[in-house]
Amino acid sequence: GNSVTQMEGPVTLSEEAFLTINCTYTATGYPSLFWYVQYPGEGLQLLLKATKADDKGSNKGFEATYRKETTSFHLEKGSVQVSDSAVYFCALFTGGFKTIFGAGTRLFVKA
Amino acid sequence: EAGVAQSPRYKIIEKRQSVAFWCNPISGHATLYWYQQILGQGPKLLIQFQNNGVVDDSQLPKDRFSAERLKGVDSTLKIQPAKLEDSAVYLCASSSTGAGETQYFGPGTRLLVL
Repeated sequence: GNSVTQMEGPVTLSEEAFLTINCTYTATGYPSLFWYVQYPGEGLQLLLKATKADDKGSNKGFEATYRKETTSFHLEKGSVQVSDSAVYFCALFTGGFKTIFGAGTRLFVKA
Repeated sequence: EAGVAQSPRYKIIEKRQSVAFWCNPISGHATLYWYQQILGQGPKLLIQFQNNGVVDDSQLPKDRFSAERLKGVDSTLKIQPAKLEDSAVYLCASSSTGAGETQYFGPGTRLLVL
């Protein structure tokens, strides 16, 4: 079946460090891929998305590239800030009108 | 534009009691979702509506959970009777068509069953 696997957290970084959060997926067909972010006390919100292979989604300094050959959609940011502390969810949509979310990765950024 | 509204934000009940959650989606959004998010896990879809019809309720525990979306706008999710394992955050989201585009989430209702 369709699934999403994210690296376990928490991930703790110092400000200005490089961030990678790994995400791999299993899906039939050609899914759309998403990263959602959940800041403390708030609901999930879309961070970025990619709808086909080799697409790169980007927003707020974050990037992720849809890699069909490795079934991955890793999230990266070159220099994290304290305000990036949140839980990040990788998700896929396969056309069966259902979005499947990963378990989430909590990021702590220290000043 | 106004976001997805949910109420209440927090609820504490005892097991075997009933509880209801309310959601008002973004105006004009045809698709509405209810998710259950257990601590440390990602959101799990409970039910998805397209207008006022059910698209997917395969993971809804129908012996205790029910949901309706009258008139294709706001929605209620009910649990009766509640169990300890129902303690979670219940998220409502909406999207314009449900065909894989961005979902907009409400702040969630945190339920604690004692």
